[in-house]
Amino acid sequence: QLVLTQSPSASASLGASVKLTCTLSSGHSSYAIAWHQQQPEKGPRFLMNLNRDGSHSKGDGIPDRFSGSSSGAERYLTISSLQSEDEADYYCQTWGTGIWVFGGGTKLTVL
Amino acid sequence: EVQLVQSGAEVKKPGESLKISCKVSGYNFTNYWIGWVRQMPGKGLEWMGIFYPEDSNAIYSPSFQGQVTISADKSISTAYLQWSTLKASDTAMYYCARHGRYCIGGTCYPYYFDYWGQGTLVTVSS
Repeated sequence: QLVLTQSPSASASLGASVKLTCTLSSGHSSYAIAWHQQQPEKGPRFLMNLNRDGSHSKGDGIPDRFSGSSSGAERYLTISSLQSEDEADYYCQTWGTGIWVFGGGTKLTVL
Repeated sequence: EVQLVQSGAEVKKPGESLKISCKVSGYNFTNYWIGWVRQMPGKGLEWMGIFYPEDSNAIYSPSFQGQVTISADKSISTAYLQWSTLKASDTAMYYCARHGRYCIGGTCYPYYFDYWGQGTLVTVSS
């Protein structure tokens, strides 16, 4: 079964960096994913897609502070130079034949 | 500029029907799949289904199969999400989103969402 697992919460200080993790279920470690950001009281926004080799392409206007990387079944979103507006929920998404799946989301708090 | 603009908030009673819309601009509507996503209050994102306007092909999540209908009107570049009988548990925010695509040998396939609508809040209460 295609499942994405995310930690429910993360926190980091203003100006620091944080690395969020999305883990693909067993047997699906080669899958690409996408990362989406949802700021409080707003709709989601596409950040980037991320391939198994760590290559990624970002959505419109996404700052260079956002980057992606991969290792095995894990897909990472790194945000550097954290700003207050980065406080948001972050969701990963993947897809298979006729199915699309979201992770449970990680709530990022900027201290 | 790609834009997906959804219809406004709705308040309905259990048992009523509803159709919400998602009007797109900035790209060829028939060339990309459109998906719908539910977000219940305080919860995460749930994929409901996707629709290909070119041939009206729809794929539903097993969780939503038979509960909703996805359709589109190509002439006005608008996708729809429809309920015939609303329940209180349908209370949620609903988002439409465009699927990016990759093409191989002249056939294109949907993958991740690359543009989102602003959401439509549906409240079902007696």
